Amino acid sequence: AQSVAQPEDQVNVAEGNPLTVKCTYSVSGNPYLFWYVQYPNRGLQFLLKYITGDNLVKGSYGFEAEFNKSQTSFHLKKPSALVSDSALYFCAVRDREGGYQKVTFGTGTKLQVIP
Amino acid sequence: DSGVTQTPKHLITATGQRVTLRCSPRSGDLSVYWYQQSLDQGLQFLIQYYNGEERAKGNILERFSAQQFPDLHSELNLSSLELGDSALYFCASSLGTGNEPVTQYFGPGTRLLVL
Repeated sequence: AQSVAQPEDQVNVAEGNPLTVKCTYSVSGNPYLFWYVQYPNRGLQFLLKYITGDNLVKGSYGFEAEFNKSQTSFHLKKPSALVSDSALYFCAVRDREGGYQKVTFGTGTKLQVIP
Repeated sequence: DSGVTQTPKHLITATGQRVTLRCSPRSGDLSVYWYQQSLDQGLQFLIQYYNGEERAKGNILERFSAQQFPDLHSELNLSSLELGDSALYFCASSLGTGNEPVTQYFGPGTRLLVL
């Protein structure tokens, strides 16, 4: 079974500071990893994904994430936070193997950027 | 705007009733996914359809059913509604079958309140 953990329910960061939203995963094989963002009263929006290759993945709105196989992590980062980045962030994982597989989402981390 | 549309935006009904949620995928997308988002259980995958056929099943109750029509729109039917079914229901769509690590594009959701 695959699973994903977002250990922090909420992350607070001052505007202009770097931000990190943590994600760890568990799959039986190699993972596909995703980050999505949800703004209030909106659906989820895709930010970035890791499929293969470079461990550092760059995505939308200046976000990036680093795949670390040994630590089974895929933390989301941004060098300088904006107030408009305040939202709910979801990490998701899917095992590469096994045919048609569902994507498992984490419980979400609320990011609050303080002006 | 993801290109995925969902109707209605809000739905208020009573316990024991039946409702139908509708989703139209992005133009060209053949896969449709349904998710339930509640405060206590987070984002739960319910079911996926690809080109009219069921592809993957998640935590979908027997009281719930879905289908995808020849024009690729999908409907999620919820019956014998309980208070605990109150949640946000999201539809997502993607290119391909879901076997590939495709990006899912989410609709704005239908907020269901069961009284």
